[in-house]
Amino acid sequence: DAKTTQPNSMESNEEEPVHLPCNHSTISGTDYIHWYRQLPSQGPEYVIHGLTSNVNNRMASLAIAEDRKSSTLILHRATLRDAAVYYCILRPRGYNFNKFYFGSGTKLNVKP
Amino acid sequence: DADVTQTPRNRITKTGKRIMLECSQTKGHDRMYWYRQDPGLGLRLIYYSFDVKDINKGEISDGYSVSRQAQAKFSLSLESAIPNQTALYFCATSDPRRTATDTQYFGPGTRLTVL
Repeated sequence: DAKTTQPNSMESNEEEPVHLPCNHSTISGTDYIHWYRQLPSQGPEYVIHGLTSNVNNRMASLAIAEDRKSSTLILHRATLRDAAVYYCILRPRGYNFNKFYFGSGTKLNVKP
Repeated sequence: DADVTQTPRNRITKTGKRIMLECSQTKGHDRMYWYRQDPGLGLRLIYYSFDVKDINKGEISDGYSVSRQAQAKFSLSLESAIPNQTALYFCATSDPRRTATDTQYFGPGTRLTVL
C-alpha cells in the first residue's frame, strides 16, 4: 500500500489559515487523496478528497501538487473546533478495494 | 439519532473473558468495518464486510472474530481477551454506490480495557 508522511503535530492561532502538509511520493495514478479528521473523543470524519485538481468544500480546500507526490489541506480560518488529528490517506480508485490506511496523522492545536 | 451506534461505549473486563462489541447502523450501507486505535497511533483495520454474506480479514484479525447478523449489524468478538487488546474500537460503514469515494462513516467508539 502506498503510504503517506505527515508531521506529528502543528499549531495555529484561531482565525488564521492553516496549511497541513502530506507527502505521498509513492502514489499511483489511480490513487485518490483523502483527508479525514478525528475530533477528541470521536470517530474520524470525512473532510475532503481529490485526484489531480485542487478541491474546495465547505470544510476545507485541498491543494494537490502537479506531480501528485504531495498535497496540502487548507483550513482558511481555524477555529477552536478544528483542533483534531488530521489524517491524509491514499485510496485506489475502484469499487472493490477495501482499505483505508490511516497512519498516525497530524495533531493540530489551535490557540485562542 | 446517530447513524452509526456502538455498544457498549466503555467496557472493563478480565483476561480470558469473552467479549462482544456491537455496531448498528441506520444508513442503509452495505459495507461495515471494525478498526482499533491505540494511543498515539492511527486506526488499524481488523475485519470488514461488503455485505451480509461477505466477511474479510483486515491487517490485524488474530484474536478477533466477527458476525454480520444483518445489513445493519456487525459484531466484533474477542474470544479470550488479553491485555494487549486494550484499545479504542471503532465501527464504520460505507457505500460506494452513494459516494464515489466510498466515504467511511464512523461510530463514536468503544473503549475496551482488559485487565
